Amino acid sequence: DTAVSQTPKYLVTQMGNDKSIKCEQNLGHDTMYWYKQDSKKFLKIMFSYNNKELIINETVPNRFSPKSPDKAHLNLHINSLELGDSAVYFCAIGGIDSPLHFGNGTRLTVT
Amino acid sequence: KQEVTQIPAALSVPEGENLVLNCSFTDSAIYNLQWFRQDPGKGLTSLLLIQSSQREQTSGRLNASLDKSSGRSTLYIAASQPGDSATYLCAAPQGGSEKLVFGKGTKLTVNP
Repeated sequence: DTAVSQTPKYLVTQMGNDKSIKCEQNLGHDTMYWYKQDSKKFLKIMFSYNNKELIINETVPNRFSPKSPDKAHLNLHINSLELGDSAVYFCAIGGIDSPLHFGNGTRLTVT
Repeated sequence: KQEVTQIPAALSVPEGENLVLNCSFTDSAIYNLQWFRQDPGKGLTSLLLIQSSQREQTSGRLNASLDKSSGRSTLYIAASQPGDSATYLCAAPQGGSEKLVFGKGTKLTVNP
């Protein structure tokens, strides 16, 4: 049973569209994250949610909005997609003293 | 602001060799440090988490050390195997926050 599952695995869309990426976890961790890995493989945190509350919000365009309907889910909505949004987006879960568990990523391609 | 640097960026070794991957961080006020492995097209897999009070942590053929005072951590892989080929990343928290800052990784290739 996968601890962190993301859907879809691949997402190809045109500029200007709005899309969502879903993340679900079954380990019961309170904290969930979204990370972005760019074309140079550099991994950077975008958001952190703890028990449905936003904790970390990096300098991310407000076109990106995380939504947590419950403790097991943290979805990422992206409005008005741009070419530069193309990247791999990872959902992760963990606590301050526990290893971070990552999903397998969503490869977003904006054309 | 935490900055994490990994050296070398890439490493190619023959099977069976012991090797060391290096990680340095600028903010030593960390509560732990983590090492991950990433296979192509996959997410990251946690390998080892070292608490700030520990000097090293071992899992199988992997041993990670932590020297907070010098801002360094090493990942030692013993008797490397082709299946160890992957990108290895280290991550340290920024200040006392949950925000993990990642290095750019070391891409390891173990040749049979």
